[in-house]
Amino acid sequence: DADVTQTPRNRITKTGKRIMLECSQTKGHDRMYWYRQDPGLGLRLIYYSFDVKDINKGEISDGYSVSRQAQAKFSLSLESAIPNQTALYFCATSDPLRFGYNEQFFGPGTRLTVL
Amino acid sequence: AQSVTQLGSHVSVSEGALVLLRCNYSSSVPPYLFWYVQYPNQGLQLLLKYTTGATLVKGINGFEAEFKKSETSFHLTKPSAHMSDAAEYFCAVSDQRSGGGADGLTFGKGTHLIIQP
Repeated sequence: DADVTQTPRNRITKTGKRIMLECSQTKGHDRMYWYRQDPGLGLRLIYYSFDVKDINKGEISDGYSVSRQAQAKFSLSLESAIPNQTALYFCATSDPLRFGYNEQFFGPGTRLTVL
Repeated sequence: AQSVTQLGSHVSVSEGALVLLRCNYSSSVPPYLFWYVQYPNQGLQLLLKYTTGATLVKGINGFEAEFKKSETSFHLTKPSAHMSDAAEYFCAVSDQRSGGGADGLTFGKGTHLIIQP
């Protein structure tokens, strides 16, 4: 099955450490997204990418950076992690030009804890 | 700018009772609307979507939702709740600009559905 995968699934780190979360997809979709989920706040968009040369900030990009290494890979980095970045992080893909609307397909999530 | 409001962060119903989860949106252009479900320790799964055409849409697991433009609503219903429906439910919106809202979905804050035996 075409899929969206995320690694690691769980990570505990310390304040100030650099962390990279990785996302890979086999759906062949051009567009990829990173969201974070916090209890009671829903999902908020961090970054999104239309293709390897087109990366855009979302609602809450401060403290994060991304890299689109290939159509199928989109990584999220925390250069210097802080405790309020503790959250559940989701990668998603979409292909609105094919479907005509922006249905998003989500990975299983990465639970990040910053101590 | 778009926004989504889900009324009730927690909704509790008895098994076999009607499930009603409320979602209101604001959008300056015609919207695409989605309901996603998140089971414990899992990612988000699409329940149903409204794009164009019939305003009553049916999804998986017996859920349906009706797009009401005049009320800017997209409430999710299920006639008879099952224990397996216990999960977090998210309403989301994107707009019908070219590319179908390429800059991601705007999500509501979620409603936790509790099923009482």
